[in-house]
Amino acid sequence: KQEVTQIPAALSVPEGENLVLNCSFTDSAIYNLQWFRQDPGKGLTSLLLIQSSQREQTSGRLNASLDKSSGRSTLYIAASQPGDSATYLCAGHFAGGYNKLIFGAGTRLAVHP
Amino acid sequence: DAGVTQSPTHLIKTRGQQVTLRCSPKSGHDTVSWYQQALGQGPQFIFQYYEEEERQRGNFPDRFSGHQFPNYSSELNVNALLLGDSALYLCASSQQVPNGYTFGSGTRLTVV
Repeated sequence: KQEVTQIPAALSVPEGENLVLNCSFTDSAIYNLQWFRQDPGKGLTSLLLIQSSQREQTSGRLNASLDKSSGRSTLYIAASQPGDSATYLCAGHFAGGYNKLIFGAGTRLAVHP
Repeated sequence: DAGVTQSPTHLIKTRGQQVTLRCSPKSGHDTVSWYQQALGQGPQFIFQYYEEEERQRGNFPDRFSGHQFPNYSSELNVNALLLGDSALYLCASSQQVPNGYTFGSGTRLTVV
């Protein structure tokens, strides 16, 4: 069964800290992995998409890595800001004829001034 | 360029009623997927439509049905609503061979 797990479930950090969010998955036959941000009660905003042939992607203060062999992805946020407070979700698109995203439960991030 | 548009934003229905949610995909996308997100959980896949047909379905009962129109827009219908159907319903669009998904802002359904 394909599963995606995110650790930690919640994180509270002071402004300015560099932080890492973790995502693990059980199936190494992955097409790509996508990181999303979700503000309370809102939809999903795509942050980064990493193809299976890539090791990492960067956008501004965000960097995401993908290691298929270990079944892990990390989202690194540099110099965190209060505006980064949100829930971060990772989702995998896996092979095997399953044309859908499988999501983790998310990491709820709070960055306090 | 409009992204994925969903309507309505919020909806309150009574148990046993029926509801229809609507989605317009991002320009250039021809595939629409629907997800249900309960509070505090990740989204769960309901089904996906391509070329006006249901291409894949998740573990949801037949009370959940959908439709895709020739302009690629889509509807999600839920019959005989249960209290447990209260959730945020998300629509995602993509190309036929997905290279990432774009999500809408969702419809918050409350069943009372």
